[in-house]
Amino acid sequence: QQQVKQSPQSLIVQKGGISIINCAYENTAFDYFPWYQQFPGKGPALLIAIRPDVSEKKEGRFTISFNKSAKQFSLHIMDSQPGDSATYFCAASNAGGFKTIFGAGTRLFVKA
Amino acid sequence: DTAVSQTPKYLVTQMGNDKSIKCEQNLGHDTMYWYKQDSKKFLKIMFSYNNKELIINETVPNRFSPKSPDKAHLNLHINSLELGDSAVYFCASSQYRNTEAFFGQGTRLTVV
Repeated sequence: QQQVKQSPQSLIVQKGGISIINCAYENTAFDYFPWYQQFPGKGPALLIAIRPDVSEKKEGRFTISFNKSAKQFSLHIMDSQPGDSATYFCAASNAGGFKTIFGAGTRLFVKA
Repeated sequence: DTAVSQTPKYLVTQMGNDKSIKCEQNLGHDTMYWYKQDSKKFLKIMFSYNNKELIINETVPNRFSPKSPDKAHLNLHINSLELGDSAVYFCASSQYRNTEAFFGQGTRLTVV
């Protein structure tokens, strides 16, 4: 019940294309859903986050879509660029706890 | 000015040794964490601290002992190192328990 399932494991997209990464959760107590971006040799850094009172959040080329009834959320990267090549983690946490559960990660490679 | 800093960045040591990793944050956050990232990039929480108090110990062997001398510091001491302890260890902090986590650059521990 504490898991966050992320897919795909890896993704190759052409420059200018749309990258889509999906996550699913089971614990309905989760109320904070961040996406983190990690470059090789660096720590994860917050990219964008959403709370379940909204169905979509957009920041520049990055959009989170959230489906509360299906317990799924996804990250869309529009106009993908080679500089977006990194590992992306979805995550979930709840106000009652002190831990964030991470998905297994998606390695994105954007071909120039 | 680095927000969350860890030392050392790399640590190579022999089985059976004891080692420490230090972490400091200058963000004024109350909550700090230790995460372990394995070779498959999977991120798993180890410990959560809030105001210097241990809140979560995520079934980590008691060879791992975190210590928080003050709210800005959370150190990790590991006794009797084993081959399976080889991983990247990340320290992180957040203002509240259900908000963005800021990660350090990681400590790559290699046990030989």
